[in-house]
Amino acid sequence: DQQVKQNSPSLSVQEGRISILNCDYTNSMFDYFLWYKKYPAEGPTFLISISSIKDKNEDGRFTVFLNKSAKHLSLHIVPSQPGDSAVYFCAAGVGGAQKLVFGQGTRLTINP
Amino acid sequence: EAGVAQSPRYKIIEKRQSVAFWCNPISGHATLYWYQQILGQGPKLLIQFQNNGVVDDSQLPKDRFSAERLKGVDSTLKIQPAKLEDSAVYLCASSSGGLANEQYFGPGTRLTVT
Repeated sequence: DQQVKQNSPSLSVQEGRISILNCDYTNSMFDYFLWYKKYPAEGPTFLISISSIKDKNEDGRFTVFLNKSAKHLSLHIVPSQPGDSAVYFCAAGVGGAQKLVFGQGTRLTINP
Repeated sequence: EAGVAQSPRYKIIEKRQSVAFWCNPISGHATLYWYQQILGQGPKLLIQFQNNGVVDDSQLPKDRFSAERLKGVDSTLKIQPAKLEDSAVYLCASSSGGLANEQYFGPGTRLTVT
């Protein structure tokens, strides 16, 4: 039972444009959502999070949007830079970030 | 501030052999996690410790996997005997334990079982 799904295994975007990564979830009990970024041979690093009481959270070039009725969240990166090329994981938790369920990941490639 | 340390970084063993992984979390972090990440999938939680007590080990294959965190700091994860399907990256993470506190991950140990 895949509670958190990232349906796009890969995404290619031109440098300077907007990157949009999507994530769907099935468990309506999830109340905290996070995005992690992973480079090869490194562990995932925290990028941005959002609580279910909000529908948007912004941090510099990164914005996460949450649509609770659709059980959908997205990560927007504007403008995209070559260093953003990595695998992005969406994660969700019940009762905060203590216990997380991860999606399968989306490999983002930023082309110069 | 030092990050989460893991060793070894890579390990190749034959099936039915045993292997152990070590993790040193960020200083002061009470919560420690072990994840298994199979190629092409997201990390899957195996076990969660709060200090030296187990909070959740519902997805740990207890017939072959074991983990301990004796003094509430370092942790070891052991597999005995290993199977081919155990080939994966084993990630250790820690957090300070608050509800909104994100988890910090180590670099992982890549295990190949032949």
